[in-house]
Amino acid sequence: AQSVTQPDIHITVSEGASLELRCNYSYGATPYLFWYVQSPGQGLQLLLKYFSGDTLVQGIKGFEAEFKRSQSSFNLRKPSVHWSDAAEYFCAVGRRDSSASKIIFGSGTRLSIRP
Amino acid sequence: KAGVTQTPRYLIKTRGQQVTLSCSPISGHRSVSWYQQTPGQGLQFLFEYFSETQRNKGNFPGRFSGRQFSNSRSEMNVSTLELGDSALYLCASSKGTSGSTDTQYFGPGTRLTVL
Repeated sequence: AQSVTQPDIHITVSEGASLELRCNYSYGATPYLFWYVQSPGQGLQLLLKYFSGDTLVQGIKGFEAEFKRSQSSFNLRKPSVHWSDAAEYFCAVGRRDSSASKIIFGSGTRLSIRP
Repeated sequence: KAGVTQTPRYLIKTRGQQVTLSCSPISGHRSVSWYQQTPGQGLQFLFEYFSETQRNKGNFPGRFSGRQFSNSRSEMNVSTLELGDSALYLCASSKGTSGSTDTQYFGPGTRLTVL
């Protein structure tokens, strides 16, 4: 069965600093990988997704993520964070061998921005 | 294009009661998935409906059920409510034709509180 681990529960970075949120997955084959963001009181918004091809994926709001098969990782990065990036971030994995839309989410990383 | 809508946004019930939550997907989307989000368990998949049929189901007791109508709108029902059912219930819609590669669009959620 697939699983996702986000080792950092809470991260605080200064506005303008770079950001990297970690995500490790477990799956028997190359998975489908996603990063979602959730602002307080809101639903989830898709930032980016990886299915195949180029391992560096560009997303919305200036985010990018790199798929590293050897490390089973899909870390999210942003070169310079803005106060509006404060939110909860979820990494998720989907199965290739299923017609269903089920995806498994990590436990989330809460991002705080220091002024 | 209107997003995913969920009603009601907030709900307070007492133990033993039942509750029905509603989700209207994005026009043209045929798949609706439901997730439960709690601080302790994170985001957990409940079930997915596609063309009025349940296509996938998570590990929840039979008290949790759902259905989908011909217009793709979906309802989720929880019977005999327990305190532990207090959560944010999120609905996500997608085209439903490409499994996990479909982008899921989330609604704002229904906050259920069980007293």
